[in-house]
Amino acid sequence: DTEVTQTPKHLVMGMTNKKSLKCEQHMGHRAMYWYKQKAKKPPELMFVYSYEKLSINESVPSRFSPECPNSSLLNLHLHALQPEDSALYLCASSQRDSSNQPQHFGDGTRLSIL
Amino acid sequence: GESVGLHLPTLSVQEGDNSIINCAYSNSASDYFIWYKQESGKGPQFIIDIRSNMDKRQGQRVTVLLNKTVKHLSLQIAATQPGDSAVYFCAENSGGSNYKLTFGKGTLLTVNP
Repeated sequence: DTEVTQTPKHLVMGMTNKKSLKCEQHMGHRAMYWYKQKAKKPPELMFVYSYEKLSINESVPSRFSPECPNSSLLNLHLHALQPEDSALYLCASSQRDSSNQPQHFGDGTRLSIL
Repeated sequence: GESVGLHLPTLSVQEGDNSIINCAYSNSASDYFIWYKQESGKGPQFIIDIRSNMDKRQGQRVTVLLNKTVKHLSLQIAATQPGDSAVYFCAENSGGSNYKLTFGKGTLLTVNP
């Protein structure tokens, strides 16, 4: 079992819906990430949070809105998504106080946009 | 053998054989590298990492080799088992930011019993 927990595991939504993806870790990590992964492709970085502050936004459309309420939680708010946004959304975390530390991933939320 | 084309590169081996998965990285400034294993329906799982001041690191049944001269990384799996069947990604910390990992295309390893 992974130490990064993502909910829900699967989500089907229409293009006009609003939903949120949730991620939780209790490893004391202070950096958290959102990635998008399409089938048979590598993960692509979307956002990085460091000490609950957004530090990297990889030019992600505004219909994706990240939020980091505290050091253990990371949310991704979704609104007015497009069919091409269907993908596996992965959350990861890593230690902040030392460079060159691995990122640990959850098992993702499989998102389907109708 | 290994094939590279429009689809995910694949490597097919017999159970008990050793596997070698290769990765060419892009940034000569990268100083940290990771191998991940991703099974169907799961997220990437950390296998082993290596820093640029090393050229070899060993774990349990796995060895990572780093050749900075030609920007090449390899993962060796000893006595490959059916449970090793998965997609394997290399990832590099592309210098500058401590947090940004760039992933390789991935290799699908299939272990035949």
